[in-house]
Amino acid sequence: NAGVTQTPKFQVLKTGQSMTLQCAQDMNHNSMYWYRQDPGMGLRLIYYSASEGTTDKGEVPNGYNVSRLNKREFSLRLESAAPSQTSVYFCASTQTSGGLRAQYFGPGTRLTVL
Amino acid sequence: GENVEQHPSTLSVQEGDSAVIKCTYSDSASNYFPWYKQELGKGPQLIIDIRSNVGEKKDQRIAVTLNKTAKHFSLHITETQPEDSAVYFCAATSNIKAAGNKLTFGGGTRVLVKP
Repeated sequence: NAGVTQTPKFQVLKTGQSMTLQCAQDMNHNSMYWYRQDPGMGLRLIYYSASEGTTDKGEVPNGYNVSRLNKREFSLRLESAAPSQTSVYFCASTQTSGGLRAQYFGPGTRLTVL
Repeated sequence: GENVEQHPSTLSVQEGDSAVIKCTYSDSASNYFPWYKQELGKGPQLIIDIRSNVGEKKDQRIAVTLNKTAKHFSLHITETQPEDSAVYFCAATSNIKAAGNKLTFGGGTRVLVKP
């Protein structure tokens, strides 16, 4: 099992450009999440998908959109990138049926917006 | 909503000594508390977790304790080794399906183990 995979690993954008961050999991998890991590700070939830076909806002959703393409894939889109969106983005997944379980994280996408 | 505070923000220990990281949470409904280790340039990895019906859990050199009354939980690392150097995050969540099992994270503790 590859677990949670993310592409790309690194990306540099100019202000105003758009891009989509891809995430996939092969653990048959029903819930998926997008976080951002800024230097010296913890993880902040951007959006999550509790199950296939549903998405909800997290703590910092402004400037982002998401798509739960199928059970495996959950993408994050920046429509018009801003320097404030320079961060490391992590995708995570978990199985929420049958009780609480840990979220498993991908390796991250390091995004710089100039 | 839930608020998780984590202390200290940095911790330097001598190899072989113990390290203790403490977290407090605000929502009395929280009942699941995972701990993550993040090495430089990598994603957070689960190292241990505890549920609210348990007061303590151990896994080799790592242990976690939970005090529901005081709403705090702690990570204990014994016989620290250089490879324990990393950033550690605590988190909390409650078993409310409508919340989508969202985790609230502490701010992280940077642990440095000096040889």
